[in-house]
Amino acid sequence: QVQLQESGPGLVKPSQTLSLTCTVSGGSISSGGYSWSWVRQHPGKGLEWIGYIYYSGSTYYNPSLKSRVTISVDTSKNQFSLKVSSVTAADTAVYYCARVNGSAYEIYFDYWGQGTLLTVSS
Amino acid sequence: SYELTQPPSVSVSPGQTASITCSGDKLGDKYACWYQQKPGQSPVVVIYQDTKRPSGIPERFSGSNSGNTATLTISGTQAMDEADYYCQAWDSSTVVFGGGTKLTVL
Repeated sequence: QVQLQESGPGLVKPSQTLSLTCTVSGGSISSGGYSWSWVRQHPGKGLEWIGYIYYSGSTYYNPSLKSRVTISVDTSKNQFSLKVSSVTAADTAVYYCARVNGSAYEIYFDYWGQGTLLTVSS
Repeated sequence: SYELTQPPSVSVSPGQTASITCSGDKLGDKYACWYQQKPGQSPVVVIYQDTKRPSGIPERFSGSNSGNTATLTISGTQAMDEADYYCQAWDSSTVVFGGGTKLTVL
């Protein structure tokens, strides 16, 4: 059974870079042809896709966040990470990591982490 | 950019059928999937690739997708089905979520 667990600082100051890590257990992050994604949810709001990293290493980002976001994979640690630069209060949200099943038009998220609340405040 | 539109809320009586719609331009030409999210919990996929149900999801959950509208149908709705539901599709290398529908069972 695949499990995902987010970790991060919980609190980040405005203008700083947000860094989150998702640790994958129950399977190798580099096997099975899966991709890995980040999704966030502002308090009381809906889901917002941030981006995903394809099993081939290609990355795809939400156009509204693309200039500030980087997703990477560390296969040696079975982890993938999210960095968001120049954060503002608008980046305060619960951040979920998720496994991507399928490719292109077939994509859906079949496993999710429990989510981690990240607050941007001075 | 591609957009998916859902009704903000849907109400249903226990035991009745609930239908939640998701509209987007030529959505029927894409695959739609649906997530259930209960308060304080992570989303769970209940339907993927329009009509497929993951193992462990009750048979009362079904999906369809044609034209500009995808529909999640819950037959014999139970109190435990009260949750937020989100549709999702893929367009031009981006993932798009609908705004979500709060299903109330009363």
